[in-house]
Amino acid sequence: SAVISQKPSRDICQRGTSLTIQCQVDSQVTMMFWYRQQPGQSLTLIATANQGSEATYESGFVIDKFPISRPNLTFSTLTVSNMSPEDSSIYLCSVVGPGLDSNQPQHFGDGTRLSIL
Amino acid sequence: GDSVTQMEGPVTLSEEAFLTINCTYTATGYPSLFWYVQYPGEGLQLLLKATKADDKGSNKGFEATYRKETTSFHLEKGSVQVSDSAVYFCALTTTGANSKLTFGKGITLSVRP
Repeated sequence: SAVISQKPSRDICQRGTSLTIQCQVDSQVTMMFWYRQQPGQSLTLIATANQGSEATYESGFVIDKFPISRPNLTFSTLTVSNMSPEDSSIYLCSVVGPGLDSNQPQHFGDGTRLSIL
Repeated sequence: GDSVTQMEGPVTLSEEAFLTINCTYTATGYPSLFWYVQYPGEGLQLLLKATKADDKGSNKGFEATYRKETTSFHLEKGSVQVSDSAVYFCALTTTGANSKLTFGKGITLSVRP
């Protein structure tokens, strides 16, 4: 099974600042996704990270707030910009790709637990 | 659009009790159905899945049957353990959805000794 590393695992940030979350996979993957899990809520898809091009954002999420990069087939970053307490959530990276367990639609990282003061 | 509805939580049970967590769905096409589990401080892990009507997914003593007629995929376990304490998510994906998953709200299960 793929090893998906997310950094940082948790952080506490001041409002108005920005934080970049990294997702590193130990094998090449075809698709990478970013989700948000607000306290007591389900996972909501933020965007699909596209290699070499702009991410595809879901309704309610915009690039200015959540810029995403994916420079290659094993790495992606999500930035949470100009943070407010409402951005306090768990942010999860997930991947799909050849060589991964085909029984699973997506493989998830352990998430980044973000608190905004 | 696609949606997944889970019963309200949290759920607290004693060890060895019987567990049922309800999940119903609406979807266009023929979805595949999943249960994910999130242990404290960890990411999501696939618990079990079913890809067509009447399929039963099972893993670690948990079971769920894909019921097309009731659009349901209820999770059951005959005897829960303290180590089953976690958040459980029901989810679906549909053909052509580009692997996108639609999740339910999740339910927290606490099992006391």
